Amino acid sequence: QKEVEQDPGPLSVPEGAIVSLNCTYSNSAFQYFMWYRQYSRKGPELLMYTYSSGNKEDGRFTAQVDKSSKYISLFIRDSQPSDSATYLCAMSRGSSNTGKLIFGQGTTLQVKP
Amino acid sequence: GAGVSQSPSNKVTEKGKDVELRCDPISGHTALYWYRQSLGQGLEFLIYFQGNSAPDKSGLPSDRFSAERTGGSVSTLTIQRTQQEDSAVYLCASSSQGRRVSDEQFFGPGTRLTVL
Repeated sequence: QKEVEQDPGPLSVPEGAIVSLNCTYSNSAFQYFMWYRQYSRKGPELLMYTYSSGNKEDGRFTAQVDKSSKYISLFIRDSQPSDSATYLCAMSRGSSNTGKLIFGQGTTLQVKP
Repeated sequence: GAGVSQSPSNKVTEKGKDVELRCDPISGHTALYWYRQSLGQGLEFLIYFQGNSAPDKSGLPSDRFSAERTGGSVSTLTIQRTQQEDSAVYLCASSSQGRRVSDEQFFGPGTRLTVL
């Protein structure tokens, strides 16, 4: 069983929809949670970063972490065609000083005009 | 400023051949990471460099894989006697220090390796 599970999709939504992306994990040592966005043939870029439990909002994006359930989410409001990409969740152990990231499989999102 | 660059962008090789993949991190970044992205597998950590030393090599899948970093800058990932299962996109990332897990990792565009 993988440490981080993420539904690969694909997920297709109409423009303007609210998108919910999720990951579950098994290792309670994870303390840092990130969402990366990856466009086709490009490297991933950091979207959101959260430490421990709670919510974080940045424009149309909201990240949620529920450590008790080992479940993290990324919400995209008023989705745009430019949001079409693969979204990867990533996690890191707080006790590690290497910064090694453990990634989910990635969810492919398509926002249709 | 310039981001992380990788070369070549694409590499096609025959089974059994050796390949070298190059990564140029962001100038001044001391931490450098290699990841592998296979179809349907997400990104898998391979190796971490802090300066020229590699304190974490735990992700290298076999002894056919090795990496080095010289001058605290450029890194080369070498795969010997390539196998078809080595086909993947190899991504390099760098961060300013890498001593805190919260340091952002900046990724290059990757090298797409195809082993025939």
